[in-house]
Amino acid sequence: EIVMSQTPLSLSVTPGQPASISCKSSQSLLHSDGKTYLYWYLQKAGQPPQLLIYEVSNRFSGVPDRFSGSGSGTHFTLKISRVEAEDVGVYYCMQSIQLPLTFGGGTKVEIK
Amino acid sequence: QVQLQESGPGLVKPSETLSLTCTVSGYSINSYYWTWIRQPPGKGLEWIGYMYNSGSTNYNPSLESRVTVSVDTSKNQFSLKLTSVTAADTAVYYCARGFRYFDWLLFDPWGQGTLVTVSS
Repeated sequence: EIVMSQTPLSLSVTPGQPASISCKSSQSLLHSDGKTYLYWYLQKAGQPPQLLIYEVSNRFSGVPDRFSGSGSGTHFTLKISRVEAEDVGVYYCMQSIQLPLTFGGGTKVEIK
Repeated sequence: QVQLQESGPGLVKPSETLSLTCTVSGYSINSYYWTWIRQPPGKGLEWIGYMYNSGSTNYNPSLESRVTVSVDTSKNQFSLKLTSVTAADTAVYYCARGFRYFDWLLFDPWGQGTLVTVSS
């Protein structure tokens, strides 16, 4: 199975400052069809995960544009341009190029 | 608006079968990838499996010998059965709707999750 690794484990950010989370996969997530099957989810305290981004950089419906994704192959990054209080939670990357679907271990974002 | 709600026992004895149901409202269950994902306390997310195309299934190989996902279209529900449970199966179990957007598989919405504890 594809192993997804995230760094850092946790992040403490001053409101209004940027934040960056890294995700690495044990195999390339670039399919022969030319598409990359990498997603980002945010899980707020006491809630189920919610989809933020698909295909590396496409924001899901309703996701603020302060969230952006980048990367290719096996290295990916989620950036929050200006962290707000409502952004706290655990962020997970996920791949769907190969079954089983696998998630990263999560990165906890807190507000200073 | 699509909503999902998990239901089932919160406590299961070791070696017994964990059975959960997810009730779908606001949409027909006749399509999509009806999915179960779990999260052990304080840990990350683990995909369990899904049913799609009115009968096809895929499961996590780590659980495949013990897991069954099924759909009851008459009740607009889908279910999870996990046999021979141990303490390692203690987790919050989420149901989710998976849908294909072009070639990507998006999970939205999710149920609120239900904690299942395996203990005698």
